Amino acid sequence: NAGVTQTPKFRVLKTGQSMTLLCAQDMNHEYMYWYRQDPGMGLRLIHYSVGEGTTAKGEVPDGYNVSRLKKQNFLLGLESAAPSQTSVYFCASSYQVGTEAFFGQGTRLTVV
Amino acid sequence: RKEVEQDPGPFNVPEGATVAFNCTYSNSASQSFFWYRQDCRKEPKLLMSVYSSGNEDGRFTAQLNRASQYISLLIRDSKLSDSATYLCVVSLTGTASKLTFGTGTRLQVTL
Repeated sequence: NAGVTQTPKFRVLKTGQSMTLLCAQDMNHEYMYWYRQDPGMGLRLIHYSVGEGTTAKGEVPDGYNVSRLKKQNFLLGLESAAPSQTSVYFCASSYQVGTEAFFGQGTRLTVV
Repeated sequence: RKEVEQDPGPFNVPEGATVAFNCTYSNSASQSFFWYRQDCRKEPKLLMSVYSSGNEDGRFTAQLNRASQYISLLIRDSKLSDSATYLCVVSLTGTASKLTFGTGTRLQVTL
């Protein structure tokens, strides 16, 4: 029962470097989401997807890009990392809006 | 005003106590409501959905008051293992971008 798997789990980047976070789900869910969680801020939606080939901006999309080429995968890219992007990133998926969202274990990213 | 507001706590209660959390939401068009639990340095997990008529799952009771736009979670007979952060989540059906989380209420159950 893999559920939602995120890679990597930890990463340290230097300012200006780029990286891609991978999210994979094996539940055949249509909806996938990327959140970031910062102390005192709660979970904030970065981007989301309502199906293969679709993406849309969430609450805090600046500095991030996403792609959903396959239904089971949702990639989050940072083109030029900034210290303000130091956070814990969670991927989630759900069958549809209004149903349970399943989360990955998170990626702890530090940008120095 | 935040879309979903919660008292951050922490709520420190002895084992066996009853504790209640409230959450308020600003968008009256919200359709779906949930409580998630998040343990330290772990991912959030669904605790229970919240239905209009109120619902119970063992020691946990959730209630929704649409008129006042708040959701509550009652935990009876608290256990040490209940120590966690409880996240209130509100969703607008049909709009994926509006799965909105509160900042969470931290509960610490002590001996």
